[in-house]
Amino acid sequence: DAGVIQSPRHEVTEMGQEVTLRCKPISGHNSLFWYRQTMMRGLELLIYFNNNVPIDDSGMPEDRFSAKMPNASFSTLKIQPSEPRDSAVYFCASTPGLAGGELFFGEGSRLTVL
Amino acid sequence: SQKIEQNSEALNIQEGKTATLTCNYTNYSPAYLQWYRQDPGRGPVFLLLIRENEKEKRKERLKVTFDTTLKQSLFHITASQPADSATYLCALAYNQAGTALIFGKGTTLSVSS
Repeated sequence: DAGVIQSPRHEVTEMGQEVTLRCKPISGHNSLFWYRQTMMRGLELLIYFNNNVPIDDSGMPEDRFSAKMPNASFSTLKIQPSEPRDSAVYFCASTPGLAGGELFFGEGSRLTVL
Repeated sequence: SQKIEQNSEALNIQEGKTATLTCNYTNYSPAYLQWYRQDPGRGPVFLLLIRENEKEKRKERLKVTFDTTLKQSLFHITASQPADSATYLCALAYNQAGTALIFGKGTTLSVSS
């Protein structure tokens, strides 16, 4: 089985541009998570979905960030407009049951905002 | 708010020795605790899960303990090998259903031959 698939793996953009990160969870997994990882703050939860419904978005830093899950096999994380402080590795993860179980992570999308 | 601390940012040991990593948490009692391994440029990979009513869990050369009184988990790798060199992350779930995992910043382990 394919694991969690994220795209793009690397993104370099200029401040003010819109960035869209994509995630395909493992088939059959009911919960999907977006995390952000930086050296300073470690791995931070941004938002998670259960059965395509956002359950907790308290980690979304500000209105510039938005996430959607239109169906069970696809999710996007959008940053508009992007800022240099958004530079980080963004991970998507999924789990077959409810939140709190073993997470299966993608390889991440490394975002650099110049 | 919940806080997780992994005491050492880096740990260097010699091959064959036992590596012991520490995870401390505050404020709430987690339903369970997990450990992940992360290699450079890769996503974290699940290793072990231990529940609040379990004291110890083992898997091959790995052992995890969970002390809810001390609010601490210890992660041991016995007979360590250079291939064990990686960053190890501790993560907590604060209830059985509905709360996502919160991660510590990790400890980077280097095993020298």
